[in-house]
Amino acid sequence: NAGVTQTPKFQVLKTGQSMTLQCAQDMNHEYMSWYRQDPGMGLRLIHYSVGAGITDQGEVPNGYNVSRSTTEDFPLRLLSAAPSQTSVYFCASSYSMRGTGATIYFGEGSWLTVV
Amino acid sequence: EDQVTQSPEALRLQEGESSSLNCSYTVSGLRGLFWYRQDPGKGPEFLFTLYSAGEEKEKERLKATLTKKESFLHITAPKPEDSATYLCAVQASRSGNTPLVFGKGTRLSVIA
Repeated sequence: NAGVTQTPKFQVLKTGQSMTLQCAQDMNHEYMSWYRQDPGMGLRLIHYSVGAGITDQGEVPNGYNVSRSTTEDFPLRLLSAAPSQTSVYFCASSYSMRGTGATIYFGEGSWLTVV
Repeated sequence: EDQVTQSPEALRLQEGESSSLNCSYTVSGLRGLFWYRQDPGKGPEFLFTLYSAGEEKEKERLKATLTKKESFLHITAPKPEDSATYLCAVQASRSGNTPLVFGKGTRLSVIA
């Protein structure tokens, strides 16, 4: 059981470049989300999805785009990378966030540096 | 606005020296409070979920407790392998899918 898988693990981008962080889960989870983690800021929610075809913005959505075409995959796209997007990105999933027992499980993280 | 404040930011303990980490929260109705452990270079790992005041959960040397305003993570006789950052998160009881809001974490170092 792979759980939540993120790729790539490390990436260096130049300012203005675009890229996609991949996230896949094999637990048939309804809910998937992307967080960024910065020193002194904690985990902040970027975007989330409650099912295929349904996405919504989190706390810090600007500069990022998401789509959910399948239950398993939830890619995060950086449209035009900026140094402020240098961060560690975590994908997380949960069976459901509607009731109790909404435990979310995290991937191993993607370290992104924008120069 | 839902808020989570964790204290202290960092804690250094000798092996065997018990202590507690604090998580204070403000939320419009609590659906659940979550504790995670995060090792350097890794994603957060789920530890506990607490749902109502008075509830307690234990796992090895860790015990989490919950009141109406805060949660404590008690660490009894810690070992060096307990060194990690401990994260607290809350989920509000609003209708529908409500994301978790995380605190900034407490970085625990246990010295042999």
